[in-house]
Amino acid sequence: AQSVSQHNHHVILSEAASLELGCNYSYGGTVNLFWYVQYPGQHLQLLLKYFSGDPLVKGIKGFEAEFIKSKFSFNLRKPSVQWSDTAEYFCAVTSRFGNEKLTFGTGTRLTIIP
Amino acid sequence: KAGVTQTPRYLIKTRGQQVTLSCSPISGHRSVSWYQQTPGQGLQFLFEYFSETQRNKGNFPGRFSGRQFSNSRSEMNVSTLELGDSALYLCASSLGTSGEQYFGPGTRLTVT
Repeated sequence: AQSVSQHNHHVILSEAASLELGCNYSYGGTVNLFWYVQYPGQHLQLLLKYFSGDPLVKGIKGFEAEFIKSKFSFNLRKPSVQWSDTAEYFCAVTSRFGNEKLTFGTGTRLTIIP
Repeated sequence: KAGVTQTPRYLIKTRGQQVTLSCSPISGHRSVSWYQQTPGQGLQFLFEYFSETQRNKGNFPGRFSGRQFSNSRSEMNVSTLELGDSALYLCASSLGTSGEQYFGPGTRLTVT
């Protein structure tokens, strides 16, 4: 069965600080990987995705993530955060082949202090 | 295109009652998934429907059930409500099986 671990439950940063949120998954096959974000009072929305190709993927609002297959990781990064990045971030994984469910991590709450 | 819509947005029920939540996917999307979101638990997968067939099921008791209609709209039902069922129930639709899902605003269920 698939599983996703997000070790940082709550991260607090000052504006302009660099961000890295960890995500590790457990799955024996080929995967599709995602980061979703939930801003306060808003829908959960897709931040970025990795299907294949360049392991460094770029998403909206300056976010990027790197897929490291050997480490089963898909960490989210942003060089300089803004107050508007305050949100909850969820990593998710599914198998690339077959009709398996999308499995989410428990989420990381990010608070940016102005 | 209109996004995923869920009704009702808020619901208060009493223990022992049952509830039905509704989800209308994005036009053209044939897959609908349901999740339960609670603080500290993240998103727990309930079930997924594709073309009126349940394709995947999470680890929830049989009190939780769902269905999908020919127009792809989906409903989930929870019978004999318990206090622990209080949560935000999210519906997501997708075009295929890649995992890229589009979420609705959720239905906030409070069980008293």
